[in-house]
Amino acid sequence: ETGVTQTPRHLVMGMTNKKSLKCEQHLGHNAMYWYKQSAKKPLELMFVYNFKEQTENNSVPSRFSPECPNSSHLFLHLHTLQPEDSALYLCASSQAPRQDQGEKLFFGSGTQLSVL
Amino acid sequence: KNQVEQSPQSLIILEGKNCTLQCNYTVSPFSNLRWYKQDTGRGPVSLTIMTFSENTKSNGRYTATLDADTKQSSLHITASQLSDSASYICVVLPRNYQLIWGAGTKLIIKP
Repeated sequence: ETGVTQTPRHLVMGMTNKKSLKCEQHLGHNAMYWYKQSAKKPLELMFVYNFKEQTENNSVPSRFSPECPNSSHLFLHLHTLQPEDSALYLCASSQAPRQDQGEKLFFGSGTQLSVL
Repeated sequence: KNQVEQSPQSLIILEGKNCTLQCNYTVSPFSNLRWYKQDTGRGPVSLTIMTFSENTKSNGRYTATLDADTKQSSLHITASQLSDSASYICVVLPRNYQLIWGAGTKLIIKP
C-alpha cells in the first residue's frame, strides 16, 4: 500500500453519463495530482493542487472538473466524456508540489476508465 | 518527439538473468532524474532519484546510472526475479517545471 487510495478501480460509462473519481491520501502530504495514462504513452499531468488550491491546469478540457475539499481528498468529476478519454487515471500526492528537492510522488492504483 | 526516450520498448528475459534499460533525454538543465516501476494495474512506485551531479544510485538489485554529458541514464537489474515483471519509467525534472515522463519499457521475466 502506498497510502493513496483511489476508487473505483474500474469504471465504464457512456458519453452522456456523469461520474466522479475519488482519491484519498493518508500520508499527510500537502500536494495532490491527477494524471492520465493512455496505453503506451507517457503519463500526462492534468491538475495539481497545493493546500487545496489549484496550481496547475494543463489545458485539460472542461469535461474534466477537479475538486479538492481538503489536503487529503481529491475528486475528478466527469461529464460528457469522449471515447478517447478512456485511460488509466492516476492520483498522486507529495509533501510539496515541486519535486526539485528530490521529493517522491506516491501514486494510487488508478481508475481504469472506459468510455463507450 | 518526446524529450525522454526509452529503449527498448519491451524486453523478455529469463529469470535470474541481468538486464539494462536505457533512457535518453534532451531536457537541459534538469534538477533530477527518476526511475519508477509500474506493475500492471498499479500506479508507479519510485525506485531511484538522482541529481545531475550523481553518477550512480542503487536500490537493492536495481542500479541506476546517469551520464549528464551524453544525457543518458540506464537502469540495471541484477539476478532478475518474476516479480520484476513490470514497466519501468524514466522521468526527468527540468528546473522550474513539472516532471517529464518517458513512455516506459515493459519488462517480462520468464521462468
